[in-house]
Order: sequence, then structure tokens, then C-alpha cells
Amino acid sequence: EPEVTQTPSHQVTQMGQEVILRCVPISNHLYFYWYRQILGQKVEFLVSFYNNEISEKSEIFDDQFSVERPDGSNFTLKIRSTKLEDSAMYFCASSPDTGYNEQFFGPGTRLTVL
Amino acid sequence: GDSVTQMEGPVTLSEEAFLTINCTYTATGYPSLFWYVQYPGEGLQLLLKATKADDKGSNKGFEATYRKETTSFHLEKGSVQVSDSAVYFCALTKWDAGKSTFGDGTTLTVKP
Repeated sequence: EPEVTQTPSHQVTQMGQEVILRCVPISNHLYFYWYRQILGQKVEFLVSFYNNEISEKSEIFDDQFSVERPDGSNFTLKIRSTKLEDSAMYFCASSPDTGYNEQFFGPGTRLTVL
Repeated sequence: GDSVTQMEGPVTLSEEAFLTINCTYTATGYPSLFWYVQYPGEGLQLLLKATKADDKGSNKGFEATYRKETTSFHLEKGSVQVSDSAVYFCALTKWDAGKSTFGDGTTLTVKP
């Protein structure tokens, strides 16, 4: 069964460093998302991406964040200068369509900023 | 904006007990509703979904019915097992937004 994959599973970085989190969505899906979950808290939407551009972003997704689909398979989230409060689990998701189809979530990348 | 409210946890039950986790939502339009489950150290797995009013989603003994009149999507299971111990998230999506809005999650612990 097709699944969303994410790498790495755990990333440790120093405050101020850049990190890139990688995702491979399901191959025939058209919509891509990033969410984050701070430990013990709710899952929060960061950004959605369609047709090679951002379709919606939350207030969390400030200028330190960027997303890219550099080729036909990868979908990346870059944090330019990490802060302690960026420590969280980051989930990638993809969907064949919006709304009525569920989003398929990857296993997540745990980001720890020291 | 859209929001999802789940009953506060944690919830602790004995094996074979009946489970209800309440979920209510606020949204304009006609959202799709979902329950996701997160096992310790793992990602989010879709448990069940409903896309319109009065739809009942079901999977692995869990059920939830989309009640538009009460804006609710309560999760139920008649007889829980230890293996059901996990965090359960209620969520909604709207066709025009795409993004999912999640509740806070409810931690369920089932004791033998």
C-alpha cells in the first residue's frame, strides 16, 4: 500500500542552524501539507502546497519557513534559523484532492533544537 | 475560524468497557470529519471518516456518526482492548480549505 515517507526520523540541531525536513508524498497525489505537533499538544497546520505554489499558510509559517518541491517526488520544509520553540514533531501529508478525501500522513520527523 | 473541541482526557478504562470520546466542531459550510489515532512514538493513522450529515464512519469496531444538528462526531467502541491505548484526534477539513483542523487529542489508556 502506498505511503508517505519522511526523513530523517529524528533531527537534532543547534539554535540558529538551518534544517531541511524531507517528505516523499504518495505518487499520484496533488496536494501536500506540513503540520507540526509540539510535544503533548494538538496537531497544527503549517502550510498547504498545490501546483508548485503555496495555497495556504498559517500564522506559524513565518519568513523562517519555506517549502519546495524540487523534483517530482520530494516535498521539503526548510527552517532557515531554528529556534528552541521549533522543537516539535513535523508531519507531512498528501491528498489526491481537497476536502472530502482524507490526508495521508507520514510517520513524522522529530526535530529537537538545542 | 473553524475549530474542533474534544472531551478532556486522559481517559482510563478497563478492558471490554464501552468507550465514548466526544467531539464537537464549529465550521462554516459542510466539512468532512475524521478520527485519527496516534500510537506511542508513531504518526497519525486515519481511523474513520464521514463526509456528509448522517454518515456513519466505522473501522476496527470504532464508530462515529456525523450529526449536523448537534455539530458532533463522537467516537464510540463497544468493547475496548489494551491495544486501543493511544491518543485519538478528531479533525475536520473543508473542500475549499484543504487543511485539516484538529482537536487537542484525547489520551486513552485501557487496563487489563
